[in-house]
Amino acid sequence: AQSVTQLGSHVSVSEGALVLLRCNYSSSVPPYLFWYVQYPNQGLQLLLKYTTGATLVKGINGFEAEFKKSETSFHLTKPSAHMSDAAEYFCAVNSGYALNFGKGTSLLVTP
Amino acid sequence: EAGVAQSPRYKIIEKRQSVAFWCNPISGHATLYWYQQILGQGPKLLIQFQNNGVVDDSQLPKDRFSAERLKGVDSTLKIQPAKLEDSAVYLCASSPSGPSLNEQFFGPGTRLTVL
Repeated sequence: AQSVTQLGSHVSVSEGALVLLRCNYSSSVPPYLFWYVQYPNQGLQLLLKYTTGATLVKGINGFEAEFKKSETSFHLTKPSAHMSDAAEYFCAVNSGYALNFGKGTSLLVTP
Repeated sequence: EAGVAQSPRYKIIEKRQSVAFWCNPISGHATLYWYQQILGQGPKLLIQFQNNGVVDDSQLPKDRFSAERLKGVDSTLKIQPAKLEDSAVYLCASSPSGPSLNEQFFGPGTRLTVL
């Protein structure tokens, strides 16, 4: 079965600092990988996804992620954190046509 | 375009009571999903519909949970009777034609508290 593990349930960065949220996957087939963001009391919004092709994927709000098959990783990065980036971030992998989500990483951005 | 609509946004019930949630997907989206998100965890798929047919309900606790999608549009999810461990946010999502790995669009969720 396909699954993802998010390392670090809470990450704190200073405004303007690099954001790095870690995700490792386990899949018996070539995976499709996703990052979603959830703001308080809202549903999930897609940040970016990897299906095939280029391994560096750019998403919304300046986020990007790199698919590394050798490391079974799909880490999310942003060069410079903004206060508005504070939210819960979920990594997910396809399971059939639905998604298996990680437990999430809460990002705190401090002034 | 309008997003995925869910109601109610919040619901508080006592254990052993019944509750129902409603979802209206984005117009034209063939695939509809119900996820359960327990506090501190990621969403877990409960059931997936393709038009008005069930694609996957392997993780739906069928002794107490039921769902339907009449006419392939709106959907309802019911819990009867509710247990304490059902306290969670219930998220509805939809995606365009399927089955495929198109982006899923999520509604705001219904937060259920079982006392």
